[in-house]
Amino acid sequence: DAGVIQSPRHEVTEMGQEVTLRCKPISGHNSLFWYRQTMMRGLELLIYFNNNVPIDDSGMPEDRFSAKMPNASFSTLKIQPSEPRDSAVYFCASSLSGGRTNEKLFFGSGTQLSVL
Amino acid sequence: SQKIEQNSEALNIQEGKTATLTCNYTNYSPAYLQWYRQDPGRGPVFLLLIRENEKEKRKERLKVTFDTTLKQSLFHITASQPADSATYLCALADSTLTFGKGTMLLVSP
Repeated sequence: DAGVIQSPRHEVTEMGQEVTLRCKPISGHNSLFWYRQTMMRGLELLIYFNNNVPIDDSGMPEDRFSAKMPNASFSTLKIQPSEPRDSAVYFCASSLSGGRTNEKLFFGSGTQLSVL
Repeated sequence: SQKIEQNSEALNIQEGKTATLTCNYTNYSPAYLQWYRQDPGRGPVFLLLIRENEKEKRKERLKVTFDTTLKQSLFHITASQPADSATYLCALADSTLTFGKGTMLLVSP
């Protein structure tokens, strides 16, 4: 069974460009999470969806960030315009049910984003 | 403010010894606590979950304790192996899952 699939694995872009990160959760999982990881701040929750509906986006740093989940098998995280401080590893994760915190998360391999 | 603290310095131990990693937290009342392993270039992988009313949980060579009075969890790996070398993250389950920054474990042969 395939795990959480993220693309691209690496993205290098110039400041001001639009960046779109993609995620396919595990089939049958109802919750999807976007995290960002840096050395300074560790793993931070940006937003999570339950049944394709955004539940908590309080971690989204600013209006330049947006996330969508048009269906149960696909989500995007978009940064427009990108800035060098957005450089980080972005992880997508999914869990089986309603985002209850007793459930384990399954993470993708991440997208390494570098904004020059 | 809420804080999760894990040792930022790497833990170096010899193969065969027991590794003990610490997770301390403040201003949280987690119902659950989870531990994950992360290898370089990979996403975290779930290891163990412990509930607030459980003192200890075991899985093979892994053992986790959870002391809600001390606000601390300890993660033990017995008979450690070089393959156990990785970064270990604790995560507190409050309204959402919040992660510590992790501690790197290095097991030398």
